[in-house]
Amino acid sequence: GAVVSQHPSWVICKSGTSVKIECRSLDFQATTMFWYRQFPKQSLMLMATSNEGSKATYEQGVEKDKFLINHASLTLSTLTVTSAHPEDSSFYICSARDESTYEQYFGPGTRLTVT
Amino acid sequence: EDQVTQSPEALRLQEGESSSLNCSYTVSGLRGLFWYRQDPGKGPEFLFTLYSAGEEKEKERLKATLTKKESFLHITAPKPEDSATYLCAVQAGYGQNFVFGPGTRLSVLP
Repeated sequence: GAVVSQHPSWVICKSGTSVKIECRSLDFQATTMFWYRQFPKQSLMLMATSNEGSKATYEQGVEKDKFLINHASLTLSTLTVTSAHPEDSSFYICSARDESTYEQYFGPGTRLTVT
Repeated sequence: EDQVTQSPEALRLQEGESSSLNCSYTVSGLRGLFWYRQDPGKGPEFLFTLYSAGEEKEKERLKATLTKKESFLHITAPKPEDSATYLCAVQAGYGQNFVFGPGTRLSVLP
């Protein structure tokens, strides 16, 4: 099946610093990728839709200046958490949509801890 | 507004004790209903996609069914390795976002 990778799998950073998370579709091209956030024992909450070559679409309540998304190629989207604070600590998961089937495949997630 | 609910919130089964998980949805024009399995600290793993009422799909001990208002994930003779959170999601149309339910945490005891 289709494979989506994320890097890093976990990261610890100090408050005020920025962190970049990569999401790659390894064996298919993805015009559209999605970024989700998941708190413990809760379901996935969509943060933004990343479109290759254009600006991301953010869900209501998500700060676009804090969560910068870049989708520069058909296999790579990045999420940068700028000026991170402890409340940004969470599990961030990306998914990529296979344009030939419209199925979504999820990455393994990135655990962010801000100290 | 598209909505997805799942029940029960948590379920504990003895090994071999079959049961069903429920996913109820309200969506305008369902394009697909998706079941995922998620282990702690990992991303969701795709299980099934159902497209129309009456459709059924099976994979090992799992069987998913779909009606116009809900979907069931039947687990037959579960094993401890089936312990996970099971998520369902709906998509209202091609290119539309997924709406996830809160999940059912399944624990299968040996």
